[in-house]
Amino acid sequence: DIQMTQSPSSLSASVGDRVTITCQASQGISNSLNWYQQKPGKAPKLLIYHTSNLETGVPSRFSGSGSGTDFTFTVSSLQPEDFATYYCQQFHNLPLTFGGGTKVEIK
Amino acid sequence: EVQLVQSGAEVKKPGESLKTSCKGSGYRFGSYWIGWVRQMPGKGLEWMGIIYPGDSDIRYSPSFEGRVTISVDKSINTAYLQWSRLKASDTAMYYCARSRRHSDSPDAFDIWGQGTMVTVSS
Repeated sequence: DIQMTQSPSSLSASVGDRVTITCQASQGISNSLNWYQQKPGKAPKLLIYHTSNLETGVPSRFSGSGSGTDFTFTVSSLQPEDFATYYCQQFHNLPLTFGGGTKVEIK
Repeated sequence: EVQLVQSGAEVKKPGESLKTSCKGSGYRFGSYWIGWVRQMPGKGLEWMGIIYPGDSDIRYSPSFEGRVTISVDKSINTAYLQWSRLKASDTAMYYCARSRRHSDSPDAFDIWGQGTMVTVSS
């Protein structure tokens, strides 16, 4: 199985901050990487697919990059509604695997 | 509107069986993979398995194979997740989700059900 290691596991930030989360795969996965946002009590929401493609309706302050084993998710200017937990997920091989999550909290 | 609607919360005893459902609407149900994801209380997301309704092709995560059964009734646009003998450790929220790419392999989950909370307690 491909292991996905996300870091940090949590962070505190202020509105307007630039936030970066990383995801490392245990082996090369090309660009087969997605990012999700989950708010408490809600289902996850797809934000970015195939490393860098913004899902329809998702604000442009969200972005993704990377290839191979190392990937980055960035929020350029954190908004109040962005406080949530974020997960990466690879689809290069089955089983599909998720990172452990990054909880973004208000500083 | 494209959506997945899951069956309601369940409270069961250890050893009991359970079948939960996920009904798709607003799109060609048979053409998109439907996956199942577990989230234990306070924990992260775990992929359990996936089914292609068009031909009932099923792939399981090794962590869940033999513990759950995934099935589909394409005639009513519904996928299922079932257990034959529940354990307390099965207590979790279970989500179904649609893969955005309709091809020979799944990719990103773009549509999610609201989740079914399963509580197993004696």
